Amino acid sequence: DVKVTQSSRYLVKRTGEKVFLECVQDMDHENMFWYRQDPGLGLRLIYFSYDVKMKEKGDIPEGYSVSREKKERFSLILESASTNQTSMYLCASSSPSGEGGNTIYFGEGSWLTVV
Amino acid sequence: GENVEQHPSTLSVQEGDSAVIKCTYSDSASNYFPWYKQELGKRPQLIIDIRSNVGEKKDQRIAVTLNKTAKHFSLHITETQPEDSAVYFCAASKNSGYSTLTFGKGTMLLVSP
Repeated sequence: DVKVTQSSRYLVKRTGEKVFLECVQDMDHENMFWYRQDPGLGLRLIYFSYDVKMKEKGDIPEGYSVSREKKERFSLILESASTNQTSMYLCASSSPSGEGGNTIYFGEGSWLTVV
Repeated sequence: GENVEQHPSTLSVQEGDSAVIKCTYSDSASNYFPWYKQELGKRPQLIIDIRSNVGEKKDQRIAVTLNKTAKHFSLHITETQPEDSAVYFCAASKNSGYSTLTFGKGTMLLVSP
């Protein structure tokens, strides 16, 4: 069973703080993703990575950066948190190969409140 | 890029009724269409998907249909039960391992006993 683990489920941070959201997957997946989920807006892609040290911008990358130093770990960084970044953040992973290619598996989500 | 529209945004049905959620997409090159179910406070999970070489796929009470000409696909749930209550997301992508999924905005389905 694929497991995608987000280390922090609930965080409260102050405006201007640097925030790290960590994600680890245990299925040796090449692809990893960070989505943001807001009511009425669905799931929006922030950044994704096809391989270690590689990153690609998604639809809403502004205000975020990512790091992928190891295949199993993908971190989302908010350099200077702002109140409009209060949201639920979902990490996901997938493998490009095989019949199930493109099936993505989500973590449980990290609820971030910026005050 | 791809754009996925999903309707309705909310859907209320009585237990035992059928529910249909519809999505349209813009990129004719898309050929992979999954549906995710997200229960309250939980992660989205894949419930069914369809690839463009088929027009319909069924799995017990759920089915997905695809019309590539019209660029739309639908989720059908028959004999709905209260545990079907959740938010459902459709998505589309090219069937390449290096493509990303574009999601619809979601449909909140409420099944009343």
